[in-house]
Amino acid sequence: GAVVSQHPSWVICKSGTSVKIECRSLDFQATTMFWYRQFPKQSLMLMATSNEGSKATYEQGVEKDKFLINHASLTLSTLTVTSAHPEDSSFYICSAPDRGSKNIQYFGAGTRLSVL
Amino acid sequence: GNSVTQMEGPVTLSEEAFLTINCTYTATGYPSLFWYVQYPGEGLQLLLKATKADDKGSNKGFEATYRKETTSFHLEKGSVQVSDSAVYFCALSDDGGYSTLTFGKGTMLLVSP
Repeated sequence: GAVVSQHPSWVICKSGTSVKIECRSLDFQATTMFWYRQFPKQSLMLMATSNEGSKATYEQGVEKDKFLINHASLTLSTLTVTSAHPEDSSFYICSAPDRGSKNIQYFGAGTRLSVL
Repeated sequence: GNSVTQMEGPVTLSEEAFLTINCTYTATGYPSLFWYVQYPGEGLQLLLKATKADDKGSNKGFEATYRKETTSFHLEKGSVQVSDSAVYFCALSDDGGYSTLTFGKGTMLLVSP
């Protein structure tokens, strides 16, 4: 089946640095990808919708300048957490719907970000 | 707005026991309903779905029926296996699952031999 690869799976960084997370659709093209954030024992919360070739759409309350999203190709979306702080520590998950597979959404394995 | 409520876990069962994980939802209109499963170290995978009232989704021995009257989509399996140990997420979508999904908090299932 279709696969979405997310990298890295775990990252530790110092406060004030920026971290980039990649999300790739390996065997299908994705004009749209989604970025979620998951807190311990909480639901996945949609952060933003990444659109290939155009600006991302952010959910209410998500800081656009903090979470930069770039969807430069049909198989790659990146989320950059800029000037990370400890409160940004979380589990970030991407997903991509495959139009050729009845719109089933495929999820990456997630990235655990720890900001010291 | 839309919301999904799942029973809290972990749910701990012995192998071959019967499983039920409750899920209820609140939505405007007629959403599509989903169960996703997340095995350790892996991404969420679609387990089953139902797109209209009274539909039954099934896969790998798991079943869930879309109950509009009770706004529920409970997950069941007659005989669980150790390999079913994972986190299960109930979710809904207003457009068949193509765009945004609203998730429950997830329920961890632990099956012992």
